Amino acid sequence: AQSVTQLGSHVSVSEGALVLLRCNYSSSVPPYLFWYVQYPNQGLQLLLKYTSAATLVKGINGFEAEFKKSETSFHLTKPSAHMSDAAEYFCAVSDDSGAGSYQLTFGKGTKLSVIP
Amino acid sequence: NAGVTQTPKFQVLKTGQSMTLQCAQDMNHNSMYWYRQDPGMGLRLIYYSASEGTTDKGEVPNGYNVSRLNKREFSLRLESAAPSQTSVYFCASSEFGNQPQHFGDGTRLSIL
Repeated sequence: AQSVTQLGSHVSVSEGALVLLRCNYSSSVPPYLFWYVQYPNQGLQLLLKYTSAATLVKGINGFEAEFKKSETSFHLTKPSAHMSDAAEYFCAVSDDSGAGSYQLTFGKGTKLSVIP
Repeated sequence: NAGVTQTPKFQVLKTGQSMTLQCAQDMNHNSMYWYRQDPGMGLRLIYYSASEGTTDKGEVPNGYNVSRLNKREFSLRLESAAPSQTSVYFCASSEFGNQPQHFGDGTRLSIL
């Protein structure tokens, strides 16, 4: 079974500073990797996905993530934080449970606070 | 474009009561999922349906049942609610299993 580790349950950055949210996964095969964002009292929205086409993946709202196979990492970055980026972020890995029935395994989430 | 619609949005139950959470998607997706979200635990998969007519257990299926009524609808039933099932429940769908999942806004369920 896959597992996902998000380092830091809570990250605070100043407005305009670099955002770095860390995600490491365990997988014996090339995975599908995702980052989702959750705003208060809402469902999860897809930020970006990695599907082996390119190691640097660009998503919505200026976010991007780099797949590093040697480090089994898929860290999320944004050069300059905005107040509207305050939310909870989830990294997820897709696991083929057999017969094409993929399951998503989520990390426990990182809550991002942006300080004015 | 509604996407994934969950009903109800809020519910309070007493221990031992039963309830069905409804989920419908209008994107013609093949796969549907039910998750629960608890503080500090991320999302945990309860059940999923890879395609119409099939359902399978996820990580935390005990105390729940599901029905894939048709391609659009996937319901989650609590037969005898317990306080440990107090949670926020999310339904999601995807075109196929390895495609991004689209989530509803959740059902906030409290069991007293």
